[in-house]
Amino acid sequence: AIQLTQSPSSLSASVGDRVTITCRASQGFGSALAWYQQKPGKPPKLLIYDVSTLEKWVPSRFSGRGSGTDFSLTISSLQPEDFATYSCQQFNSYPPTFGGGTKVEI
Amino acid sequence: EVQLVQSGAEVKKSGESLKISCQGSGYSFNNQWVAWVRQMPGKGLEWMGTVYPANSESRYSLPFQGQVTISADTSISTAYLEWSSLKASDTAVYYCARETRYFFDLWGQGTLVTVSS
Repeated sequence: AIQLTQSPSSLSASVGDRVTITCRASQGFGSALAWYQQKPGKPPKLLIYDVSTLEKWVPSRFSGRGSGTDFSLTISSLQPEDFATYSCQQFNSYPPTFGGGTKVEI
Repeated sequence: EVQLVQSGAEVKKSGESLKISCQGSGYSFNNQWVAWVRQMPGKGLEWMGTVYPANSESRYSLPFQGQVTISADTSISTAYLEWSSLKASDTAVYYCARETRYFFDLWGQGTLVTVSS
């Protein structure tokens, strides 16, 4: 199974900061990489799929990029509602796997 | 409304059996894979397996193979996750999620399963 390693595991930032979370895969794959946002006590919400395509509800301050084994999620200007845990996920092959998550604290 | 609605929280003892459910509505339930994802307390997400309701084909992640059974009933648009003998280590929140291409675009609200030894 492809393993995904996220870094950092947590970060503290201020409103307005630019934040980047990385997701490194144990082997390279195509574009089947997604990001999820999860708030405490809630299910994950799909944020980005196909590496860089934003879901309809996602503000443009979020962006995703990467290829091969290295992917990233960037929030260009952090807002209070962005406090959450972010997880990457690959589905290049079965089984789909998730990264360990990055907790963003404001 | 397009949604997945899961059954309520469960408190069980080690060795007991359990079946939790996930009912889909607002979309063609039969023709999209429904996955189950585990989240242990304070931990990340783990894909357990998936079922294609139309033909009941199921696939499992190796750690969960033989430990759980995933099934579906198309007549009531419901997917299930079942244990025959729970362990304390099964304590977690379990989510069902719709698989769309290469990601999970619709999630249930989660079912907390607490197993005491």
